[in-house]
Amino acid sequence: AQSVTQLGSHVSVSEGALVLLRCNYSSSVPPYLFWYVQYPNQGLQLLLKYTSAATLVKGINGFEAEFKKSETSFHLTKPSAHMSDAAEYFCAVSEIFGNEKLTFGTGTRLTIIP
Amino acid sequence: GAGVSQSPSNKVTEKGKDVELRCDPISGHTALYWYRQSLGQGLEFLIYFQGNSAPDKSGLPSDRFSAERTGGSVSTLTIQRTQQEDSAVYLCASSLKGGPRDGRGTQYFGPGTRLLVL
Repeated sequence: AQSVTQLGSHVSVSEGALVLLRCNYSSSVPPYLFWYVQYPNQGLQLLLKYTSAATLVKGINGFEAEFKKSETSFHLTKPSAHMSDAAEYFCAVSEIFGNEKLTFGTGTRLTIIP
Repeated sequence: GAGVSQSPSNKVTEKGKDVELRCDPISGHTALYWYRQSLGQGLEFLIYFQGNSAPDKSGLPSDRFSAERTGGSVSTLTIQRTQQEDSAVYLCASSLKGGPRDGRGTQYFGPGTRLLVL
C-alpha cells in the first residue's frame, strides 16, 4: 500500500524567507506525486506534479519540488515566501495503474510572518 | 471553462436523517472521485467512477454511504441515518482518465460540501 508522510503539521516562515515543506512517500514502485494547496474554505488546487519525467518539477506561484528516489522524498520549496502563500499544503501519491486515487498526507499549515 | 461544482456548500442535519450531496464534474471528464476531509482522518478516498465501469467503492466507511453517477456526468453521494462522526467536508474531483503523465489524470477538485451532523 502507498502512503505519504508530511513532517511538521505547522510551519512558520518570515515573509521573504525560504519555504521548505517536507514529504516522504512509501511505495513499492515509483509513483506519481502531487502537491496541492488549500486556501481557507476552498477546495484543493494543484501546485505541481511528478510523473517520472524531470525530477525537478516547477509549479504555479513560484513553487517547485524535487523527486529523490534514494530518499523517497518529494519536498516542496519556494525561494521567497509571500503573505499570499499562507494556506494548507497536502502531498499526495497516486497509483500508476488502476483507479489513480490519491492518498494524501496529513497536511502542513504554512503561516507567513510579516 | 467551468470547474467542478458541488451543492450544497453547507449542510446542517440532525442525527439519523439522510443527506444527498451533489457533484457536477468538468464537462468531458470521464473519471469522478469522492473524498472526505475530517479533523480526525484527514483526506481520505471514498469512491471512484470511470465511464460505464463498476465503481470502486473500497473507500466507503460503511453501508450507510452510497453514490451513483447518472449519465456519466453528475454524481450524488448519499449518507443514510447520519451520525455525528459523518461531519466533515466532502470533496468531489474529476479528471480525464489516463494517467497524469500527458496532462490527463490530474484531478480537479470542487469547493466541497461542509456537512455538520447535530
